[in-house]
Amino acid sequence: IVLTQSPGILSLSPGERATLSCRASQSVSTTYLAWSQQKPGQAPRLLIYGASNRATGIPDRFSGSGSGTDFTLTISRLELEDFAVYYCHHYDNSPTFGQGTRVEIK
Amino acid sequence: QVQVQQSGPGLVKPSQTLSLTCAIVGDSVSSRSVAWNWIRQSPSRGLEWLGKTYYRSKWHSDYAVSVRGRISIDPDTSKNQFSLQLNSVTPEDTAVYYCVRDHLWAFDIWGQGTAVTVSS
Repeated sequence: IVLTQSPGILSLSPGERATLSCRASQSVSTTYLAWSQQKPGQAPRLLIYGASNRATGIPDRFSGSGSGTDFTLTISRLELEDFAVYYCHHYDNSPTFGQGTRVEIK
Repeated sequence: QVQVQQSGPGLVKPSQTLSLTCAIVGDSVSSRSVAWNWIRQSPSRGLEWLGKTYYRSKWHSDYAVSVRGRISIDPDTSKNQFSLQLNSVTPEDTAVYYCVRDHLWAFDIWGQGTAVTVSS
């Protein structure tokens, strides 16, 4: 399964809403769709699993939604620490990752 | 608090074997509800899953098609760790390698990463 994320780069200001898209090449179960955040020099950090469940310690400004082939990660009000690269990933017998969306300060 | 701690060399010569180890703290390599993975990241290939090992009444290992035949991921229950061996490396294997736990079908615990360069 190929995951395509859009946009490649999202330029926003702190306090704005961020909407990131992940499209799968075929329908996938929500159970197996997750989102992670990666900052420079760090390992990815799990944000959302099962398409809409926040991982432990993740603030409620992060939310995930979607089904079938289209999934969305929303950050309701961007904080400075949220400017990073975000990846969606699909878990199956051969897990795959999207190419990432960079959220940068406008 | 679960943590995984990676170790291994950062430079490997072409055609030789890349070997990394991942020590587990706060969980068990034999846990029946998780799996233990290796994932790598490079600018050209992005995040790429390489394989995993897991215990479900017996040990299993699954590998990505792209590296099958030259990869081995093995548990070490005596040390509560698991390892990666990637044979016959080329410069295309240059990447940051992560050991990662998966639980509830998501990669939830990541190691700090090991930057591996394949060069003579």
